[in-house]
Amino acid sequence: AQKVTQAQTEISVVEKEDVTLDCVYETRDTTYYLFWYKQPPSGELVFLIRRNSFDEQNEISGRYSWNFQKSTSSFNFTITASQVVDSAVYFCALSDAHSGNTPLVFGKGTRLSVIA
Amino acid sequence: DTGVSQDPRHKITKRGQNVTFRCDPISEHNRLYWYRQTLGQGPEFLTYFQNEAQLEKSRLLSDRFSAERPKGSFSTLEIQRTEQGDSAMYLCANSPRSSPYDYGYTFGSGTRLTVV
Repeated sequence: AQKVTQAQTEISVVEKEDVTLDCVYETRDTTYYLFWYKQPPSGELVFLIRRNSFDEQNEISGRYSWNFQKSTSSFNFTITASQVVDSAVYFCALSDAHSGNTPLVFGKGTRLSVIA
Repeated sequence: DTGVSQDPRHKITKRGQNVTFRCDPISEHNRLYWYRQTLGQGPEFLTYFQNEAQLEKSRLLSDRFSAERPKGSFSTLEIQRTEQGDSAMYLCANSPRSSPYDYGYTFGSGTRLTVV
């Protein structure tokens, strides 16, 4: 069975601080995909990144960076120099790649509050 | 249209009533998913369509739930004899024909159902 654990329920930081959101996953599949989504107060889930299990290269996109480590089954997300607009709930998700249709399995999310 | 539209945004209904939600996907994307999100949880998969064919249903989708996607365009999700436990955000997601992993899923803003 697939499972995603986001142990941090809520995080509060002061603007301009760096913050890391943790994600640990479980799967028996050797080929799988990992995702991060942002859910602002409006409710819409916004796609941030996708990573496949064969690509352990870390990625940086502006203030966002992701650290994928298969050895610890983790896919952590770091926001550098946080801003108030980063306040949202962030979800990590997992899906296997066998069929191409498999739905996403989400973690419970981490609520990030960035205080001005 | 560049996004997934869901209607209504909010629905309050009395227990025992039937409700129907609508999802209008991005026109060129042929895969459509329904998810349910309860308070403090991540989205959970309900069902999936490829064009008009409903290919997968979750165990969460009891016999009171039915989904359709006539002509492979918009989709409806109906809940009959609503119960208080049905109160949740119902999210629709759409992905390209090529692969949902290339771009991630595009989610709508959801329909928030409250059963009183």
